[in-house]
Amino acid sequence: AQSVTQLGSHVSVSEGALVLLRCNYSSSVPPYLFWYVQYPNQGLQLLLKYTSAATLVKGINGFEAEFKKSETSFHLTKPSAHMSDAAEYFCAVYSSASKIIFGSGTRLSIRP
Amino acid sequence: GAVVSQHPSRVICKSGTSVKIECRSLDFQATTMFWYRQFPKQSLMLMATSNEGSKATYEQGVEKDKFLINHASLTLSTLTVTSAHPEDSSFYICSVLKGGQSYEQYFGPGTRLTVT
Repeated sequence: AQSVTQLGSHVSVSEGALVLLRCNYSSSVPPYLFWYVQYPNQGLQLLLKYTSAATLVKGINGFEAEFKKSETSFHLTKPSAHMSDAAEYFCAVYSSASKIIFGSGTRLSIRP
Repeated sequence: GAVVSQHPSRVICKSGTSVKIECRSLDFQATTMFWYRQFPKQSLMLMATSNEGSKATYEQGVEKDKFLINHASLTLSTLTVTSAHPEDSSFYICSVLKGGQSYEQYFGPGTRLTVT
């Protein structure tokens, strides 16, 4: 069965600093992986997805993620944080049962 | 613009009453929709898969008689929480499956249910 683990329930960075949100996956087959963002009291918005093409995936709002098979990781990064990036971020994997399995989420706070 | 809408966005009901939540696909016909629930500060948990014209498929541990799902048209699925209790208070989010790539899900804005 596929699963994802997000390391760190809360990450705080200064405005302009690098954002790094960690996600490790477990899958017996090549995975499809996603990052979603959720703003307070809203649904989820897809940031980016990996579907076994290029290992470096660029998404919206300046975010990108790199698929590393050797490390079973799919960490989300952004070179320079903006105040508007403050939100909850979810890593997810598409399971063999045609379902999306979400990680526990990481709350990103941005310090002025 | 929004691809998926949910109504209502917020609802407060008394314990023992039933509440219906609508999920509409605005841009395309959807034979499959999903219902999730999210407790405060937690992740989304899939409750059921809603299939147009057939019975929904519920995840293990989800009571199908309590959470009634109807997917009567290609653009509308409804979730009815029957005999709601305070522990049913949660954020309910639907998603719509688009196209042949079954991982392409578009999420609604969510419905906040509070049972008093």
